[in-house]
Parts: sequence; structure tokens; C-alpha cells
Amino acid sequence: QQQVKQSPQSLIVQKGGISIINCAYENTAFDYFPWYQQFPGKGPALLIAIRPDVSEKKEGRFTISFNKSAKQFSLHIMDSQPGDSATYFCAASNLGADGLTFGKGTHLIIQP
Amino acid sequence: DAGVIQSPRHEVTEMGQEVTLRCKPISGHDYLFWYRQTMMRGLELLIYFNNNVPIDDSGMPEDRFSAKMPNASFSTLKIQPSEPRDSAVYFCASRLYYGYTFGSGTRLTVV
Repeated sequence: QQQVKQSPQSLIVQKGGISIINCAYENTAFDYFPWYQQFPGKGPALLIAIRPDVSEKKEGRFTISFNKSAKQFSLHIMDSQPGDSATYFCAASNLGADGLTFGKGTHLIIQP
Repeated sequence: DAGVIQSPRHEVTEMGQEVTLRCKPISGHDYLFWYRQTMMRGLELLIYFNNNVPIDDSGMPEDRFSAKMPNASFSTLKIQPSEPRDSAVYFCASRLYYGYTFGSGTRLTVV
């Protein structure tokens, strides 16, 4: 599987602040880039996803920014809330050929 | 829909024993994936099926691991014999088009 590199490994943000998590990929055949949120004892849940034909996608407080030439994408969480405290995973896939390749995850803590 | 259903939620077994993990995908989803999650290696794809046919098992760590999908509503992941290093959380996910849905996982502990 091709790598997806995710940073930072952990992140502490004050309530109301902006949380930013970054990912980089290698395989130019990837055509689907989702972000997953995982709470302890639960499976990953889809948060938001983007295809490479757009540079940004916004859903509520969550935004994906995508830079195809740099092979990078990021998740921005605006007005971060304590309930956003979780582990976030970026992932990438070539939908026609394989499953998701995940980054190593970011443990996000939102301090009240 | 009840989502992807995995059983058991927790499994503790002794080294050398056979372990079988079960998954019921979402009805109508045509892809099924098995993932393993550990602190060291993160989420790793083990194997996936399309329309009940195994497509890629290159992520299966050893011959001790095997997976089957006898019909569209059921899949198993078997480890025989189990070893302590197999201890992890195993997730099943199903997919239709772009949307992957994960189960709650089976936490396996091999002692």
C-alpha cells in the first residue's frame, strides 16, 4: 500500500480555536480523500471527503483543503468544541482498485 | 439500517487457539473490507471482497490468517493458530460507491 503521512500526531486546541491536521500522499492514482473521526471503543466514522477535481470542500465547521500539485490535503475544524476531542484519520483510495490507505492518526484534544 | 455488525465485540483467547471474527455488512453494499488497528501500525487493510469475491489479500500478514465471504450478508476472518502479536482491534467495513461504513470492531486479546 502506498503511504499517507499525517501530522501532527497529537494536537491540543483551546475551545473556539481552529484545529488543523495535515496529510501528504504519494500515489497519484488516488482519487478519493476522506477524513474519519474515531472515538474510543468505536469504529472510524466518515467526517468529510473530497475528490481531486475540487480544491476545497466545506461541511459545517469542517473544511478540507486539497492541493493536487503538492499532493497534500488538510482538515480544518473551525470553532473547535470539547465534543470534537477524538482521533482523526486522513485516508486515500483509488476507488476503482483498492481500499482505503490511512494515515497514522491525530489525537485531538479541545480544552474547555 | 443497523450498520455494519461485528461479533464478538471482545475476544480473549489463549495462544494457539483458533479465533473466528464475524461481520455482517450493510445490505446492498458490494465491497467488504477487513482492517486491523494497532497503536504501532495504525489501521491496516488486510483483505477486501467485491461481490463476495476476494480481490486483494496482500495485506494478510501470514498464512495463519484467512477470510471468507460465503454470501453477500456474511464474512469471517479466521486466525489459526493465534499468537500474542495478533492482539489488536479488527474492523470490518462495507462500501457502496464512495461511502465506507465501519463496524464497531472486535478487540482481540491473545494471551
